[in-house]
Amino acid sequence: NAGVTQTPKFQVLKTGQSMTLQCAQDMNHEYMSWYRQDPGMGLRLIHYSVGAGITDQGEVPNGYNVSRSTTEDFPLRLLSAAPSQTSVYFCASSYLAHTGELFFGEGSRLTVL
Amino acid sequence: EDKVVQSPLSLVVHEGDTVTLNCSYEVTNFRSLLWYKQEKKAPTFLFMLTSSGIEKKSGRLSSILDKKELSSILNITATQTGGSAIYLCASRGSNYKLTFGKGTLLTVNP
Repeated sequence: NAGVTQTPKFQVLKTGQSMTLQCAQDMNHEYMSWYRQDPGMGLRLIHYSVGAGITDQGEVPNGYNVSRSTTEDFPLRLLSAAPSQTSVYFCASSYLAHTGELFFGEGSRLTVL
Repeated sequence: EDKVVQSPLSLVVHEGDTVTLNCSYEVTNFRSLLWYKQEKKAPTFLFMLTSSGIEKKSGRLSSILDKKELSSILNITATQTGGSAIYLCASRGSNYKLTFGKGTLLTVNP
């Protein structure tokens, strides 16, 4: 039972580099989302998607891009990494967009130097 | 803008104590309120409360939704030592976003 799979688990970048955090779910979930978690800040929503081809911004979208070409995949792209993007990133999904438990991936720890 | 506020932000108790964690929410067209527990890694689901299910219980944990006061509480009885955990509250409205509070860090000492 794979659930929500995130890769990589750890990454170190230099300022200005780009990278993509991958997220895949095998539960046929309609809703997928990306959060970042910083000490004392809880989980803040970056982007979310209610289905293939549909994405929208969350609370802290600046500096991040997403796409949802398939139901299963929801990659998060950092186009030009900044130290302020040092964080732990979680991908999460739920079966329905309007309700239901959110299932989390194990997280990706990103450090930008 | 949707908002979820949790209190207290941190709490230290002794093993065996009962604790109550608070969560208040402001979301457009409320649909559900969820509680999660986070230890070292990803949050794990505890409860979901909706208009049709305002009270949930599982073992030593229970939660109640007060739609009039726009709030929820999470009760933990007979707390056990075993390190710290963060309890997260989140609320979902009609815009599909699940907004989280900052969490309550609970530390249980022997």
